[in-house]
Amino acid sequence: EAQVTQNPRYLITVTGKKLTVTCSQNMNHEYMSWYRQDPGLGLRQIYYSMNVEVTDKGDVPEGYKVSRKEKRNFPLILESPSPNQTSLYFCASSYLSGANVLTFGAGSRLTVL
Amino acid sequence: ELKVEQNPLFLSMQEGKNYTIYCNYSTTSDRLYWYRQDPGKSLESLFVLLSNGAVKQEGRLMASLDTKARLSTLHITAAVHDLSATYFCAVDRTGGGADGLTFGKGTHLIIQP
Repeated sequence: EAQVTQNPRYLITVTGKKLTVTCSQNMNHEYMSWYRQDPGLGLRQIYYSMNVEVTDKGDVPEGYKVSRKEKRNFPLILESPSPNQTSLYFCASSYLSGANVLTFGAGSRLTVL
Repeated sequence: ELKVEQNPLFLSMQEGKNYTIYCNYSTTSDRLYWYRQDPGKSLESLFVLLSNGAVKQEGRLMASLDTKARLSTLHITAAVHDLSATYFCAVDRTGGGADGLTFGKGTHLIIQP
């Protein structure tokens, strides 16, 4: 089944404790991205990648890092999480050619205390 | 700064009624996307509109695009409870879509029996 898999789905952590949210897709998509969803703000792009070793900032990159060492994986790293990073995170992927129709993962709900 | 504005942000309507959700955007993009999100779930693609005048229909939902007015509409005909969800419109951040989508804040639609 074609899908985007995120882990963990739920996480409660404390300020300053480094964490990684993994994202993997099995559709051979070139493009991958991370969004955060907050009430009243919709979805905002954090980082995106157009291919292996190519990453770039989205609209809200502060406090996050990403890497794209393999085509299928695009982990999101929070080096020192803070409470304002409490949010629902979505990983998404798509082909680069044609329309940019994103396939989304199930979401990861992160709470930073 | 690219802006995508949806109206209304919240809509409560009765089954059997018709209504329209509006999506205004500030870019010159020829492409517009509609997504649906059920409560506690991820986003799924509904429609991709690829050119001025494009119209797509599926069941009781019909989407259209007017690139000159920078406006897309999502029309609901004879609403049923199963259409209750949050609907997002989105446009390419830049021409070609290589750097992802910018989303509106979403329209939370509740359809009551």
